[in-house]
Parts: sequence; C-alpha cells; structure tokens
Amino acid sequence: RKEVEQDPGPFNVPEGATVAFNCTYSNSASQSFFWYRQDCRKEPKLLMSVYSSGNEDGRFTAQLNRASQYISLLIRDSKLSDSATYLCVVIGGTSYGKLTFGQGTILTVHP
Amino acid sequence: EAGVAQSPRYKIIEKRQSVAFWCNPISGHATLYWYQQILGQGPKLLIQFQNNGVVDDSQLPKDRFSAERLKGVDSTLKIQPAKLEDSAVYLCASSLGYGGETQYFGPGTRLLVL
Repeated sequence: RKEVEQDPGPFNVPEGATVAFNCTYSNSASQSFFWYRQDCRKEPKLLMSVYSSGNEDGRFTAQLNRASQYISLLIRDSKLSDSATYLCVVIGGTSYGKLTFGQGTILTVHP
Repeated sequence: EAGVAQSPRYKIIEKRQSVAFWCNPISGHATLYWYQQILGQGPKLLIQFQNNGVVDDSQLPKDRFSAERLKGVDSTLKIQPAKLEDSAVYLCASSLGYGGETQYFGPGTRLLVL
C-alpha cells in the first residue's frame, strides 16, 4: 500500500462547479498535512495546510479525518485558473519532518 | 526575497554518462531537499539535509546517485552513470526550520536520458 494515495483523475469540471478531492495515508503517526498545487511544467507551491478542525481559505476548504486517515480538499465556484495538479502531502512520524507526496490529482476547469 | 535557484534548467545526456545538478536554497534556510519527479507522479524525496548533515537518504539509489551540501548552503546532486529510468524532473526545495514547515521549491532541472 502506498504511503499517500490520491485519485489521479483527471477531473474535468465546468466553471462555477464544486469539486472535491480525497487523499488517504497509511501512517497513523503522521503529524501534519498539506495541499500543494502544481501548474503544468512548474514547481509545486503550498496551497494550504490542513488542520484537525478543518480550515477554509476563500473558495478552498480542507478537512482532516484522523480516524479514517484521509484528508480532503473542496473547491467551490471553480475558476479556469484552478486548473492544475493538486498534491496531497503528509508529514510522517519522524523528528525531521519528512514529506511524502501523493501522485497528484489533475483538475481541468473548462468554460 | 530570492527563491530557490537551480541549474541547469534542462539537460539531455546519453545513458551511462554522468550529470550534476546544482541548487542554491533561500538564504537562511536550514533544510534542503532533493526530489525526483517522474512524469505523472508526485515528487519522491531522494535526500534531505539539515545544515550540512544528511537526515534521510533512504530512497537515494546510492550506487549511482550522490549528493553533498558543503558549508550548509548550496548543494549538488550527481548521477553516475545515468540510466534511461533517471529521466525526470529533479526538484530542489528548502525550508527555514527542521520539520513540518513550508517547503519552497526551485524551478527544477528536466533531465532526459537517451
């Protein structure tokens, strides 16, 4: 079983749609969770951290379910500019903060 | 503030040749990472440095890959000899502290092995 698993998609949605991605992780000792965004042929950039209580940043909402070991990202009112690959990132139970990336979920928002 | 710098941006070599990549992290960042990203996959950590010491190189193919971070600042990653399956983007990232912090990525080096 992979340490971090994501549905690779692709997800093709129209502008204005709501779309959700899930990510599961295998290490129950994982400490921190993030969503990164990667545009085509670009480097990954932090989108948002994921907190146990859930958190929201504008149109983006991230949630964590420790019992079921999954995190989610919800995008409301999708924009064309949201088209990218969304990477789920988990920091495992080590002292030095090793990040493990999922394979990414491709999102395409069309007019 | 200057970001993470990497060079070269692109490299094409033949199998069994050697290649080296360079990374200059954000000034003051203690931790430096090298990732390999194969097309269609997420980045895979190859090696993580804290200052000039290695804290994780468990996924580095040590028979052909080597990396160093002299003086705890910039770093080089070398492949010798290269194989076809080494074709990938090699990403360097840095973070301010020692764990769980935001990583800032460089633009990557695209390697094609023929």
